[in-house]
Amino acid sequence: AQSVTQLDSQVPVFEEAPVELRCNYSSSVSVYLFWYVQYPNQGLQLLLKYLSGSTLVKGINGFEAEFNKSQTSFHLRKPSVHISDTAEYFCAVSALRGGADGLTFGKGTHLIIQP
Amino acid sequence: DTEVTQTPKHLVMGMTNKKSLKCEQHMGHRAMYWYKQKAKKPPELMFVYSYEKLSINESVPSRFSPECPNSSLLNLHLHALQPEDSALYLCASSQGGQGKGSPLHFGNGTRLTVT
Repeated sequence: AQSVTQLDSQVPVFEEAPVELRCNYSSSVSVYLFWYVQYPNQGLQLLLKYLSGSTLVKGINGFEAEFNKSQTSFHLRKPSVHISDTAEYFCAVSALRGGADGLTFGKGTHLIIQP
Repeated sequence: DTEVTQTPKHLVMGMTNKKSLKCEQHMGHRAMYWYKQKAKKPPELMFVYSYEKLSINESVPSRFSPECPNSSLLNLHLHALQPEDSALYLCASSQGGQGKGSPLHFGNGTRLTVT
């Protein structure tokens, strides 16, 4: 079984400050990891993904994440946040289920950008 | 703009009504999904179709009936719903299985209210 833990339900940050959103995973097989962002009243948008190779993954909107196998973590970072980054962020792990790539999501982290 | 289109955006229905949610993608994806998302919660998997066949049903009540008429379309038929079924229903698609970690592409969802 696979699971994802996002320890922080809410992270307040001042505009232009750096931010890190934490994600830890549990898996007995090879992992594929994702970060999705959800803006109010919208669906989920893929920020970035780790499948294999380089442990530092760059995504859209200036976000990046680092896969750490020994710590079973996949933390999301941005060096300088903007008001428009206010949203819900979900970490997810993929598993082959029923011939498709089913996602299991963490509980989400609400990123609040303060002016 | 999302490449997965869901209609309608909003739906209000009584407990005795029958309605359908529709989802369409033209990315050539062979796996399609229905997720349910309650407020301030992560999406929860309901159904997975792989190559137009239902491959996963996450013990969803029979008042929800999925249908995949072809590889581009996915429907969710609703009948005799309960108020607690009010939620955001998200459709997603991915390239397919084989456990390659294909990312899911989400629509913007249908906001369902059951009165």
